[in-house]
Formats: sequence, structure tokens, C-alpha cells
Amino acid sequence: AQSVTQPDIHITVSEGASLELRCNYSYGATPYLFWYVQSPGQGLQLLLKYFSGDTLVQGIKGFEAEFKRSQSSFNLRKPSVHWSDAAEYFCATAGGTSYGKLTFGQGTILTVHP
Amino acid sequence: DAGVTQSPTHLIKTRGQQVTLRCSPISGHKSVSWYQQVLGQGPQFIFQYYEKEERGRGNFPDRFSARQFPNYSSELNVNALLLGDSALYLCASSERTSGPNTGELFFGEGSRLTVL
Repeated sequence: AQSVTQPDIHITVSEGASLELRCNYSYGATPYLFWYVQSPGQGLQLLLKYFSGDTLVQGIKGFEAEFKRSQSSFNLRKPSVHWSDAAEYFCATAGGTSYGKLTFGQGTILTVHP
Repeated sequence: DAGVTQSPTHLIKTRGQQVTLRCSPISGHKSVSWYQQVLGQGPQFIFQYYEKEERGRGNFPDRFSARQFPNYSSELNVNALLLGDSALYLCASSERTSGPNTGELFFGEGSRLTVL
């Protein structure tokens, strides 16, 4: 069965600093991979997704992620963090099939200091 | 355009009671999925419905059931509530169930259930 692990429960960065959130997946073949963001009391919003092809994926709000098969990773990055990026971030996988059945990581809470 | 709408937004029940949560997908979306998000954890998949048929079920007891109506809206029912059922229940819709060109789940803001 597929799974994802987010090693960092909580990350704090200063506004304007760069950001990298880690995600490791477990799946035999090429997985469908996603990053979602959840603001307090809100549902989840899709930041970006990877199905195949170019391993560097661009998303909304200036985020990008890189799929690295050799490291089983799909880390989320942003070159310069804004205070409004403070939220909880979830990595998710659908294995290689239906993306209606996502398996989520435990999430990483991002705090941004002014 | 309206997004995924869920009702009620908040509700409080006592142990042993039953609850029904409702979800209206984005217009044109035929697939609805339900997720349970316990505080401090990622969402866990409960059910997926497509064209009114169950397409997947997560590791949840039979107390959890769902259905999808001809207009593609959906209900999630939970019987014999336990304290551990307290969570945010999220509904998500998509155009289809697979295929990269439609690979996005749109989530509602959820129904927060508290069981006392």
C-alpha cells in the first residue's frame, strides 16, 4: 500500500526566507503525488500535483516541488515566504490509480515570523 | 461558481447517537469522496462515490455509510457515535476518478463533529 511521511511536524521561518517542506513516499511504481495547504478552520487547497514527466512541478502561490525517485521524495519549496503562507501543509499520494482515494501525511505546520 | 458545500458546519452529538452529513459537489463533478480529519492528523479516506456507485472504502467500521444521489450530492452517515468519531469531516469532488487531466480534488470546508 502507498504511504507518505512528513518528517517535520512544525517548521518556523522568517518572512522572506526560503522554505523546504519534506515528503517521502512509499510506492512501487510512479505515484501520483500532491501538496495541499489548509488554513485554520478551512478545507484543503491544492498547491500542485505530479503524475509523470517533468520532475519539477510549479504550483500556485509561488510554490514548486521536485519529484526525486532515487530518494523517494517530493519536497515542497518556496524561495521567499510571506506571512500569509502560515498554514498546515499536507503531502498526499494516490498511488498510481484513483486520486479520489488519497493517502495523506501527518502534515507540517508552518509558522512565519515577521 | 459555487465550490463544494457541506452542511452542517458544526454539530454536537452524544455517544450512541446517529449523524448525517451532507455534501454538494461542484457543478459537473460526478465523483465525491469523504475524509475524516482528527485533530493533529492528516485526513483519512472514508469513501469514494462515482456515478452513484461506491468506488472505494477506507478502513472504517460498518457504522460509517454513505450514498450518492442522482444529482451527485452525497450523504455520510455515522451510527452509534463514539467519542473517537469527533473530527472534521471533509467532502471532496472531482470530475472523474482517474486520469491526470482531471487530477484535482476540490475540498469543502468541512463539518466539525463533536461527540460528547
